Amino acid sequence: AQTVTQSQPEMSVQEAETVTLSCTYDTSESDYYLFWYKQPPSRQMILVIRQEAYKQQNATENRFSVNFQKAAKSFSLKISDSQLGDAAMYFCAYSSNTGNQFYFGTGTSLTVIP
Amino acid sequence: NAGVTQTPKFQVLKTGQSMTLQCAQDMNHNSMYWYRQDPGMGLRLIYYSASEGTTDKGEVPNGYNVSRLNKREFSLRLESAAPSQTSVYFCASRDHRTRAYNEQFFGPGTRLTVL
Repeated sequence: AQTVTQSQPEMSVQEAETVTLSCTYDTSESDYYLFWYKQPPSRQMILVIRQEAYKQQNATENRFSVNFQKAAKSFSLKISDSQLGDAAMYFCAYSSNTGNQFYFGTGTSLTVIP
Repeated sequence: NAGVTQTPKFQVLKTGQSMTLQCAQDMNHNSMYWYRQDPGMGLRLIYYSASEGTTDKGEVPNGYNVSRLNKREFSLRLESAAPSQTSVYFCASRDHRTRAYNEQFFGPGTRLTVL
């Protein structure tokens, strides 16, 4: 089974600053998809951004962008101009093109300091 | 559209009791999933159903059973609850067949405590 590793259990950032959350994964497949989910205190899981492995261009969604390094099997999330509402648990997830399962990392808890 | 709904939101059981967690989705998705979330361990897959009438074990299936009642509903049953099953349970659904990059949509979760 694929493994997804988030090596930063906790991170903090000053409001309006930029923070990068790390994620690495292990796979032998060449075609797959990567996701970042946000889980605020409400517990609701919310999709932040997704990346298709066959696309070299890094995905962006407003203040959120990724740095996808396929050879290094790395998929980091950059949050620019951090806001108080960004405080949450962030999960990285992997899904293959052929399979139906998602594999999640253990999460990074982000604190935003006013 | 309500998306993915779960009932109940909270539940307290005594060791040995049984209960069923209900999940329904109104997005016509083929695939449905049950996860448990424990501190420091992320989301771990219990069971999933790729389509109506099929179910498969995930990473942590022991102590659980599932039923894919129809395309909309996917229930999780604890036959004899144990304190180790204290957790937050999430149901999710996904339309995997039309676009492989589709994300999973999650329900609001059920916080279960087993005493």
